[in-house]
Amino acid sequence: GQNIDQPTEMTATEGAIVQINCTYQTSGFNGLFWYQQHAGEAPTFLSYNVLDGLEEKGRFSSFLSRSKGYSYLLLKELQMKDSASYLCAPPWDDKIIFGKGTRLHILP
Amino acid sequence: DAGVIQSPRHEVTEMGQEVTLRCKPISGHNSLFWYRQTMMRGLELLIYFNNNVPIDDSGMPEDRFSAKMPNASFSTLKIQPSEPRDSAVYFCASSKAGLGANVLTFGAGSRLTVL
Repeated sequence: GQNIDQPTEMTATEGAIVQINCTYQTSGFNGLFWYQQHAGEAPTFLSYNVLDGLEEKGRFSSFLSRSKGYSYLLLKELQMKDSASYLCAPPWDDKIIFGKGTRLHILP
Repeated sequence: DAGVIQSPRHEVTEMGQEVTLRCKPISGHNSLFWYRQTMMRGLELLIYFNNNVPIDDSGMPEDRFSAKMPNASFSTLKIQPSEPRDSAVYFCASSKAGLGANVLTFGAGSRLTVL
């Protein structure tokens, strides 16, 4: 099965850097997704790591270590619009199971 | 591309009533997923279809829940009879190919309140 663990809430300051960690125990998975969900909206795709290592996409980067069951999402130069929930999702077979998400609060 | 379309956006009903939620996936996407989101349990996968065929319904809470996909452009999630604990936001999502590496596109969700 899947045990996906990520912090419930985090707070950071505008312009700073924040790292959101995700640990999981799963079998038969292929890589790991991160989704962003603003309050009252649907989740939207942020990143997908199929191999171990760091994937960089603008201000956002995502890291994966499959042997350790560990991933993180790194957000740089935080902006107020980054206030949202961030959902870690390791695929399992051909379905995607989500963690409960980390609610990120950005302070001015 | 209109994206994944869900209806209704909001529904308030009384316990015991039947609820039907609808979803139109993105054209060309051959996998469709129904999720339920609550504060307590997060985003839970209820059921998913590949090429209109239900593949895994192990997340469906109980027999009161049923889902159908009669064709590639339409799916329904039905709750009968509804209960207050079914109150949640129900999301439909679609993807191409149905393999784990494919990106989900979510609809805007249907917010259900059962009184």
